[in-house]
Amino acid sequence: QIVLTQSPAIMSASPGEKVTMTCSASSSVSYMHWYQQKSGTSPKRWIYDTSKLASGVPARFSGSGSGTSYSLTISSMEAEDAATYYCQQWSSNPPTFGSGTKLEIK
Amino acid sequence: VQLQQSGPELEKPGASVKISCKASGYSFTGYNMNWVKQSNGKSLEWIGNIDPYYGGTSYNQKFKGKATLTVDKSSSTAYMQLKSLTSEDSAVYYCARNGSPYWYFDVWGAGTTVTVSS
Repeated sequence: QIVLTQSPAIMSASPGEKVTMTCSASSSVSYMHWYQQKSGTSPKRWIYDTSKLASGVPARFSGSGSGTSYSLTISSMEAEDAATYYCQQWSSNPPTFGSGTKLEIK
Repeated sequence: VQLQQSGPELEKPGASVKISCKASGYSFTGYNMNWVKQSNGKSLEWIGNIDPYYGGTSYNQKFKGKATLTVDKSSSTAYMQLKSLTSEDSAVYYCARNGSPYWYFDVWGAGTTVTVSS
């Protein structure tokens, strides 16, 4: 199965700061999807097909990448963005998730 | 669009449990239903999915023999049975749909906590 490695595992950012987190795949994948999860709630689809924002996701979020390297960027950190972000692939079975990046607000 | 999951379960080791996921607001048979495990706030593992229209299933090899997925089309409800429970099965279990040919999970249930303890 394809292993997804997310980095960093934990990070913190100040309001207004640019944030970038990465997801590296053990084999090439066609698309990467991202989910946001806040404590005690279920994951929410956040970015799909590498760069498309789910409905309601602020435009300060963006996704990019190809092959084995993908990233999620926040252009200007806001307090509400504090959460854990998971990447996910389904280019081959079984679909797999990364171990998550926990983003905290400074 | 909503996926409503059943309440928390407390089971003894060796027992079985069946949790449910009731879909509303969309055509139940038009989307696959997936089940995802999250242990102790850690990462997410795909257990398998079921096509409610045909009843066909696909399982993660890791969960074959542990999980059984079924649906009741008349009530738009998906079920997952977990058998021979151990402490390793203590987790939050989510149902989540995906639409072919879309390979992501666009709607998630709130999760069902299963605790296995003697």
